[in-house]
Amino acid sequence: QKEVEQNSGPLSVPEGAIASLNCTYSDRGSQSFFWYRQYSGKSPELIMFIYSNGDKEDGRFTAQLNKASQYVSLLIRDSQPSDSATYLCAVTGNSGYALNFGKGTSLLVTP
Amino acid sequence: NAGVTQTPKFQVLKTGQSMTLQCAQDMNHNSMYWYRQDPGMGLRLIYYSASEGTTDKGEVPNGYNVSRLNKREFSLRLESAAPSQTSVYFCASSRGQVSNQPQHFGDGTRLSIL
Repeated sequence: QKEVEQNSGPLSVPEGAIASLNCTYSDRGSQSFFWYRQYSGKSPELIMFIYSNGDKEDGRFTAQLNKASQYVSLLIRDSQPSDSATYLCAVTGNSGYALNFGKGTSLLVTP
Repeated sequence: NAGVTQTPKFQVLKTGQSMTLQCAQDMNHNSMYWYRQDPGMGLRLIYYSASEGTTDKGEVPNGYNVSRLNKREFSLRLESAAPSQTSVYFCASSRGQVSNQPQHFGDGTRLSIL
């Protein structure tokens, strides 16, 4: 079983701070990495994806990938209360179609 | 601009009843997926269809069947529902292999088996 590990949280950060969400994965063959945001009672919403080692920035979000350490992270700058949600890390499996999801990290941004 | 549409949104069944969950996408995507999400378990893949005419098992296929009716539609059937199948079911689609094409999710079906 390919594993994707995330701290369940809750991770609490004050408004305006940087939130750092982390994910490790067990399958060295994984090629693509995704971050989804899921509000309570809603469906997962794609935030970012990253394929290459290094950083990828999109607005307030930065994804960081280190394949050697099998580690992917999501940084949220200037965190807002509306960012309070569960963040799911997903990693491609062997078939190229399946995604292996972590159980998610709950983020709480306090005003 | 509907994206991925799932019906119904909520359903309550009795043990042993059958049910088909419907999913349709209007993004001309080739690949479609069914996941279930349970508290503390995360999202788990039930079945997927890489392209029209093909289906493959995911991590938790037992107790389910699927049909890729055409490029737009992918249904999930519970032949004899069991309480262990109480869950939130999500359908997703992608243009192709997720190695380079992200998946997009529907709003989910909340299913309770009594």
